[in-house]
Amino acid sequence: DQQVKQNSPSLSVQEGRISILNCDYTNSMFDYFLWYKKYPAEGPTFLISISSIKDKNEDGRFTVFLNKSAKHLSLHIVPSQPGDSAVYFCAASASGTYKYIFGTGTRLKVLA
Amino acid sequence: NAGVTQTPKFQVLKTGQSMTLQCAQDMNHEYMSWYRQDPGMGLRLIHYSVGAGITDQGEVPNGYNVSRSTTEDFPLRLLSAAPSQTSVYFCASILPGNTEAFFGQGTRLTVV
Repeated sequence: DQQVKQNSPSLSVQEGRISILNCDYTNSMFDYFLWYKKYPAEGPTFLISISSIKDKNEDGRFTVFLNKSAKHLSLHIVPSQPGDSAVYFCAASASGTYKYIFGTGTRLKVLA
Repeated sequence: NAGVTQTPKFQVLKTGQSMTLQCAQDMNHEYMSWYRQDPGMGLRLIHYSVGAGITDQGEVPNGYNVSRSTTEDFPLRLLSAAPSQTSVYFCASILPGNTEAFFGQGTRLTVV
């Protein structure tokens, strides 16, 4: 049973516009969430994270929002750039477990 | 600083053969994990380790063995390869404190 879900396999956005990637989770024990970016033939690289004590975390063009009651998080990229085209994975873990459970990924394409 | 190094990058096995995927990290991270990435399935956790001498199962452990005799190395063994194990395998290491996982470049394994 998928504990972390990314229901949109793909997303296309025009350059300069906002990209919104969504992620839902089912396990209420999860309290730490991360987003990873993956280019073809490379390992995933860390993008941004958020702890359950916060509802928002920003890093430059990237902002992650967490809605604990809905068990939902989203990644906003503003403005989107062609170099942002990649597969984005969300991941979740429970305190102290270090078992990061990943979603199925969303392929983002930013059109120039 | 090499980070997380995986070898080999590519491997073709015949059904029933055994092999070991190597993973080494030079960041002195206590926590290490193995994931497999399959189309439409995202990254699934195979096994993980919270320190030398300690390992535990992830989401999809069947058909794989691991050991952790040193902090630096976390090899993944396929005892009798099956076509269902055709995948891209990623090793990751994690700093204590629920922070980001650092991934290797991956091993693309094909079992024929």
